Amino acid sequence: NAGVTQTPKFQVLKTGQSMTLQCAQDMNHNSMYWYRQDPGMGLRLIYYSASEGTTDKGEVPNGYNVSRLNKREFSLRLESAAPSQTSVYFCASSPQLNTEAFFGQGTRLTVV
Amino acid sequence: KQEVTQIPAALSVPEGENLVLNCSFTDSAIYNLQWFRQDPGKGLTSLLLIQSSQREQTSGRLNASLDKSSGRSTLYIAASQPGDSATYLCAGRDDKIIFGKGTRLHILP
Repeated sequence: NAGVTQTPKFQVLKTGQSMTLQCAQDMNHNSMYWYRQDPGMGLRLIYYSASEGTTDKGEVPNGYNVSRLNKREFSLRLESAAPSQTSVYFCASSPQLNTEAFFGQGTRLTVV
Repeated sequence: KQEVTQIPAALSVPEGENLVLNCSFTDSAIYNLQWFRQDPGKGLTSLLLIQSSQREQTSGRLNASLDKSSGRSTLYIAASQPGDSATYLCAGRDDKIIFGKGTRLHILP
């Protein structure tokens, strides 16, 4: 049971570099989410996709872009990384809007 | 805008005690409320999901309640054990999932 898989697990970037965080789920879920978790701030929603073909901004979308590539995959892109984007990033999915959400194991990103 | 608050931020209790973690939310128009556990450096594990039409859910030593009218949910842990030490997060759900900042629980052996 793979569930929600995030790659990579760890990444170090230099300021100004770009990268894409990958997320894939094998549960045929409609909705997918990207969060960042910072000490003292809890989990904050970056972007979400209620269904394939749609994406919407969350609480902290600035500096990020997303792509819902297909029903399985939802990627998060940092075009020009900044030290303020140092965080742990979590991807989640759920079958529908009113059902249980499942989380990946996270990507720990450091921007130097 | 939905806001979710968890009190207390941290809690230490002796092993064997029963305890209650609190969660409040500002917008009662939620589909459901979900409780998670997070161990240090790990991802989130779902504990209980309460639909908006339900009042409570139970799993083993855990019982979660939901009162939409007052905007409150509680997580009751019976007969606490050192293995229960973790951060507990609640999340209110409309078309987004909004988290509280969590309660860091430490069970003293």
